[in-house]
Amino acid sequence: AQSVTQLGSHVSVSEGALVLLRCNYSSSVPPYLFWYVQYPNQGLQLLLKYTSAATLVKGINGFEAEFKKSETSFHLTKPSAHMSDAAEYFCAVSADNFNKFYFGSGTKLNVKP
Amino acid sequence: DADVTQTPRNRITKTGKRIMLECSQTKGHDRMYWYRQDPGLGLRLIYYSFDVKDINKGEISDGYSVSRQAQAKFSLSLESAIPNQTALYFCATSQGSSYNEQFFGPGTRLTVL
Repeated sequence: AQSVTQLGSHVSVSEGALVLLRCNYSSSVPPYLFWYVQYPNQGLQLLLKYTSAATLVKGINGFEAEFKKSETSFHLTKPSAHMSDAAEYFCAVSADNFNKFYFGSGTKLNVKP
Repeated sequence: DADVTQTPRNRITKTGKRIMLECSQTKGHDRMYWYRQDPGLGLRLIYYSFDVKDINKGEISDGYSVSRQAQAKFSLSLESAIPNQTALYFCATSQGSSYNEQFFGPGTRLTVL
């Protein structure tokens, strides 16, 4: 079975501070992992994905994530938060023998001036 | 023009009414999905389809039905709407393998009174 846990439904950081959004997965087979961002009143947009190539994945808008098999984690980071990063972020897992995505419950990022 | 479109964008209806939400895509993808989003619960899969003749139930299919009229069109119906079906509904598409990302429409906000 597969599942995703996102620790922290709300995260608040100051502008310019490090952003760290946590994602842990459970998968019985090698996973594919995704981070999506949802801005208010919009659909989900892909930030980055891990598909078993490099474990450090760089995405759009300065975000990156590192796949750590030993920790079953795929945390999202950004060195310096911008006001425009305020949104909800979703982690998702898929795998070769599963024909669907499993999404986490989401983390809302608030960026303070 | 958007690659994945959903109509209507907003709908208010009454308990017991039949509602259809429509999704169209111009990406040429074979796979299409319907999700609902509720605060704090992330996205939950209602139905998915890998081609016109393939329809599969997701984790919360009760009270919903779907129709894949063509490769580019996937409709979601609520046969008799109830208030706890009030939610944000998303259509998504993807191509081929599980390592490919899903592309989301802008969503339909449905309110059942």
